[in-house]
Amino acid sequence: DVKVTQSSRYLVKRTGEKVFLECVQDMDHENMFWYRQDPGLGLRLIYFSYDVKMKEKGDIPEGYSVSREKKERFSLILESASTNQTSMYLCASSWSVGNQPQHFGDGTRLSIL
Amino acid sequence: GENVEQHPSTLSVQEGDSAVIKCTYSDSASNYFPWYKQELGKGPQLIIDIRSNVGEKKDQRIAVTLNKTAKHFSLHITETQPEDSAVYFCAASGTGNQFYFGTGTSLTVIP
Repeated sequence: DVKVTQSSRYLVKRTGEKVFLECVQDMDHENMFWYRQDPGLGLRLIYFSYDVKMKEKGDIPEGYSVSREKKERFSLILESASTNQTSMYLCASSWSVGNQPQHFGDGTRLSIL
Repeated sequence: GENVEQHPSTLSVQEGDSAVIKCTYSDSASNYFPWYKQELGKGPQLIIDIRSNVGEKKDQRIAVTLNKTAKHFSLHITETQPEDSAVYFCAASGTGNQFYFGTGTSLTVIP
């Protein structure tokens, strides 16, 4: 079974802080994704990566950056956290050949005070 | 880009009845349509998927149908049970590995 592990289930940070969310997958997947989930808006893609050191912007990249130094690890960075970034953050991974299902972690609920 | 609409946003059914959730998509190049179930406190889990060369797929009490001409696909759950209560998301994907998700349906199965 694919295992996608997000380092924190709950996180509380202050406005202006630099915040790191970490995600690790154990299936050697090429693709990794970061989404945010808000009520009534579904899942919106922030960034994705299809290889080490490669990244692509999703639909809502503003205020975020990412890092992928190793194949199994994908980090989401909030450069200067703001209250409108309070949300549930979900990480996912998938194989890259053709269209493959994405496998999700259990999410990090981030509150910015 | 792709736009996926999902209806209804909430659905309540009696245990044993069927539940149907519908999604439409806009991009005719989309060719992969997964469905996810998200239970409270957990991430979305894939429950069934369908590719555009197939019109219907079934897995026990769950089935998905796809109408490429009309650009819509549906999730059917028969003989619903309380453990089917969750939020369900549809998604569409084309050639770029990016998924476009619907806004979710909160299903409640009443015992």
